[in-house]
Amino acid sequence: EAQVTQNPRYLITVTGKKLTVTCSQNMNHEYMSWYRQDPGLGLRQIYYSMNVEVTDKGDVPEGYKVSRKEKRNFPLILESPSPNQTSLYFCASSLGQGAGETQYFGPGTRLLVL
Amino acid sequence: GESVGLHLPTLSVQEGDNSIINCAYSNSASDYFIWYKQESGKGPQFIIDIRSNMDKRQGQRVTVLLNKTVKHLSLQIAATQPGDSAVYFCAENGDDKIIFGKGTRLHILP
Repeated sequence: EAQVTQNPRYLITVTGKKLTVTCSQNMNHEYMSWYRQDPGLGLRQIYYSMNVEVTDKGDVPEGYKVSRKEKRNFPLILESPSPNQTSLYFCASSLGQGAGETQYFGPGTRLLVL
Repeated sequence: GESVGLHLPTLSVQEGDNSIINCAYSNSASDYFIWYKQESGKGPQFIIDIRSNMDKRQGQRVTVLLNKTVKHLSLQIAATQPGDSAVYFCAENGDDKIIFGKGTRLHILP
């Protein structure tokens, strides 16, 4: 089944404790992206990757890192999480970034930073 | 600045009636528009899309209308069912950037 998977689905952590949220897709998509979703603000892009070893900042990259060593995986890293990073995070992938490229979203990771 | 928004945060519709969800966009350069459905506890799911060279596109029970003159996009759901209960949001793709609207929650009344 074609899908985007994320792990973990739920995470509670404390300020400053490094964490990684994994994302994997099995559709051989070149483009992958991370979003956070907050009430009243909608989906905001954190980072995206056009292909392996190519990553770029989205609209809200502060406090996050990503890597794209393999085509299928695009982990999101929070080196020193803070409470304002409490949010619902979605990974997405698509064949490309241009018009007409539908993004497929993962199930989401709900993060609480205490 | 660029923005994609929805006119109503919540919409309540009687089961069996048609639903119309609206969206406004501001980037005239956007050439591709998508509607997503997000059910509780799940990620957004693609519903239907439309390119800027079209005014209307129909899917199964859904129709998207695009009015480029007033930069307005709408999603029409025919014969709304309980399973249509979700948050719907539009997205525009222009200048190689996708911008998402904030969403409208659709409530289905029995």
